[in-house]
Amino acid sequence: AQSVTQPDIHITVSEGASLELRCNYSYGATPYLFWYVQSPGQGLQLLLKYFSGDTLVQGIKGFEAEFKRSQSSFNLRKPSVHWSDAAEYFCAVGPNFGNEKLTFGTGTRLTIIP
Amino acid sequence: DVKVTQSSRYLVKRTGEKVFLECVQDMDHENMFWYRQDPGLGLRLIYFSYDVKMKEKGDIPEGYSVSREKKERFSLILESASTNQTSMYLCASRLFGGPYYGYTFGSGTRLTVV
Repeated sequence: AQSVTQPDIHITVSEGASLELRCNYSYGATPYLFWYVQSPGQGLQLLLKYFSGDTLVQGIKGFEAEFKRSQSSFNLRKPSVHWSDAAEYFCAVGPNFGNEKLTFGTGTRLTIIP
Repeated sequence: DVKVTQSSRYLVKRTGEKVFLECVQDMDHENMFWYRQDPGLGLRLIYFSYDVKMKEKGDIPEGYSVSREKKERFSLILESASTNQTSMYLCASRLFGGPYYGYTFGSGTRLTVV
């Protein structure tokens, strides 16, 4: 069965500092991987996705993520955070075939301090 | 852009009431999903539907049912609401063909059962 672990429940970062949010997955083959962001009181918005090819993927709002097969990780990064990045971030994994559903991690809440 | 609309942002219902949560998408997506979101637990799948009149149980279907009579509408039904169903409910939709397309989420319905 597929699963996702986001080990950090809450992270606090200063505005302008770099950010890395961790995501580890469990899946038997090459998965599809996603990062979503949820602003307060809103639904989830897709930040970026990985399917194959280049292991470094670029997303919206200046985010990027790197797929590392050997570590079963898909960490999200941003070189310089803005106050508007304060939100909850979810990593998700899905099989690369069929019509199957995604499995989400428990989320990481990001707080930005001035 | 695909739009997924959940009819209510906030709902307050009494224990034992039958509750309907409505979700409508406007882009002819085949797949639709209902999740509940709770702090520390992330998103948990309640039910999903691959197409009209089709439904599949997710990870936590107990106490819920669904209806999909038309392609654009997917309803979540709480047969007899209980206080442990107080939660944020998120609807999502996706094109048929697997996880490549990711999900499009609605803004959520925050349900309080008193």
